[in-house]
Amino acid sequence: QSALTQPASVSGSPGQSITISCTGTSSDVGSYNLVSWYQQHPGKAPKLMIYEGSKRPSGVSNRFSGSKSGNTASLTISGLQAEDEADYYCCSYAGSGVFGTGTKVTVL
Amino acid sequence: QVQLQESGPGLVKPSQTLSLTCTVSGGSISSGDYYWSWIRQPPGKGLEWIGYIYYSGSTYYNPSLKSRVTISVDTSKNQFSLKLSSVTAADTAVYYCARDRMGLRIFDYWGQGTLVTVSS
Repeated sequence: QSALTQPASVSGSPGQSITISCTGTSSDVGSYNLVSWYQQHPGKAPKLMIYEGSKRPSGVSNRFSGSKSGNTASLTISGLQAEDEADYYCCSYAGSGVFGTGTKVTVL
Repeated sequence: QVQLQESGPGLVKPSQTLSLTCTVSGGSISSGDYYWSWIRQPPGKGLEWIGYIYYSGSTYYNPSLKSRVTISVDTSKNQFSLKLSSVTAADTAVYYCARDRMGLRIFDYWGQGTLVTVSS
């Protein structure tokens, strides 16, 4: 099963909004509303930011939001802050639980 | 607050078996709502799900690793373990254990990760 496709990098200025895409197939992203998103700072374990496509765990800022259209899921970070600079991974429930290729977010 | 902690050798020789244990605290591994996963990340690369186990002992593995992976659980110690056989340099990675909500690949708690290097 192939990894989900994410852009290698996305950047934005403080206060701006950015969107990270996660493209799969009709067998994974398209079949289930079960995409989760993880934030990973260097040397740290990933942190759950969004689950079931658009739900936020307790404690996660409402600046983070998720959506899906067809075979593509998206993570939007609004009001970009310096602390949002990190790697982001999507993950889809589909048999082998495939992760995305990862996106490095840079705050300019 | 649930906490997970990986433990095991940081260096494994090629062709040998990698063995890691994850100790869960702050919650019972026997809770029916959760599955217990292993995930790895080669240096500078992305995440790869290895497999999970339910407290009953039922397992599901990534097909790409299935022939070499065994995950087991010890509910009396609130631990689960990973064995990966016939390792090569390509298995060098940070290995994470994580709690998987309802087996839906919603990893809500993670261990800090442990680097395992495969080298002679």
